[in-house]
Amino acid sequence: DAGVIQSPRHEVTEMGQEVTLRCKPISGHNSLFWYRQTMMRGLELLIYFNNNVPIDDSGMPEDRFSAKMPNASFSTLKIQPSEPRDSAVYFCASSLDGQGSNQPQHFGDGTRLSIL
Amino acid sequence: AQSVAQPEDQVNVAEGNPLTVKCTYSVSGNPYLFWYVQYPNRGLQFLLKYITGDNLVKGSYGFEAEFNKSQTSFHLKKPSALVSDSALYFCAVRDMRSSYKLIFGSGTRLLVRP
Repeated sequence: DAGVIQSPRHEVTEMGQEVTLRCKPISGHNSLFWYRQTMMRGLELLIYFNNNVPIDDSGMPEDRFSAKMPNASFSTLKIQPSEPRDSAVYFCASSLDGQGSNQPQHFGDGTRLSIL
Repeated sequence: AQSVAQPEDQVNVAEGNPLTVKCTYSVSGNPYLFWYVQYPNRGLQFLLKYITGDNLVKGSYGFEAEFNKSQTSFHLKKPSALVSDSALYFCAVRDMRSSYKLIFGSGTRLLVRP
């Protein structure tokens, strides 16, 4: 049973460049989350999709960040233009959720992003 | 506001000894509680959850956790630690009234020495 798949696993790029991170959630899951993990701030929820619709994007740092979920099996997180302070590990997670659901979130192995 | 506290940045234990990783929480309603483990260069892996019922919850890899409502705690335990248990552990809470948002603690690094 395939878990959450993220690509690329590592990305190194220069500031100002566009960065696109990709995620394939677990088949059948209807909720998708993007997180950012840093030593200073820990795990931060960036955006939450339910049934492909963005429900909560209050964690998106600024307009340079955008996320899409064109269908149930694919999501992207885009940073344009990228800045050194965006360097972090970005995780995608999915779950089977409804109101008050007790199902756990399942995480991918992340994309380690370094902006030079 | 919901919050989770993991008061220890690191826990050190000898292999074969019991381990405890502490977690306390604050929610306005009844909580759903979770423990996750993160190994180097990997994502968070679900270990166990408390929803309702028995206060002692058993999970993966021999881990268990005890829910204590009066102390608002959900400590992770294992009777006999293994070197391979060394990892970063996260406690998380969800208010039953929320459909999705998990609040994570800051994480506790467990180091099991041979």
